[in-house]
Amino acid sequence: DSGVTQTPKHLITATGQRVTLRCSPRSGDLSVYWYQQSLDQGLQFLIQYYNGEERAKGNILERFSAQQFPDLHSELNLSSLELGDSALYFCASSAQGGETQYFGPGTRLLVL
Amino acid sequence: QKEVEQDPGPLSVPEGAIVSLNCTYSNSAFQYFMWYRQYSRKGPELLMYTYSSGNKEDGRFTAQVDKSSKYISLFIRDSQPSDSATYLCAPGESSASKIIFGSGTRLSIRP
Repeated sequence: DSGVTQTPKHLITATGQRVTLRCSPRSGDLSVYWYQQSLDQGLQFLIQYYNGEERAKGNILERFSAQQFPDLHSELNLSSLELGDSALYFCASSAQGGETQYFGPGTRLLVL
Repeated sequence: QKEVEQDPGPLSVPEGAIVSLNCTYSNSAFQYFMWYRQYSRKGPELLMYTYSSGNKEDGRFTAQVDKSSKYISLFIRDSQPSDSATYLCAPGESSASKIIFGSGTRLSIRP
């Protein structure tokens, strides 16, 4: 158990809908990262937050947005969902000054 | 050219064999070298962490880094069916925010 939690574990929704994925980092970690992993694909970095502020952006679509709250948990919002958004979404966290990322169990999103 | 190149496999070996997984990278600023193991549909878990060049051993696993040739290896001795997973190499610069993940090599250990 990495200490990173993600909810929900599974999510099934329809095209055009909006969903929110939640992540709680390890205790004390200030950075949160979001990744998308489509079937049999590698990890695609979406976005990083550090202590409430956006730190780095990857291949995140304009329909997707994220935020990190004062208690350091983070939410990833996915809107106008398309079939191609079906994927595993992982959150990871790291400590201030740390060199490694610790991953949560992921949220499996299925868009029908 | 990708910053991190990794053969996607799949690699299938018999139980008990020695497995060699490899990555190459292009960024000479990488100082930290990690291997993550990802079981099917699970979150990646940190398996090995190495700083700079050299070897690091942890049980049946050995991580090897050759910075001169920008080559990273993970060796698994006495491989077990439970080692069947995707292995991602992940070199990084000065902090966790500078980690680049390889696309992963899928490994299957046949009983």
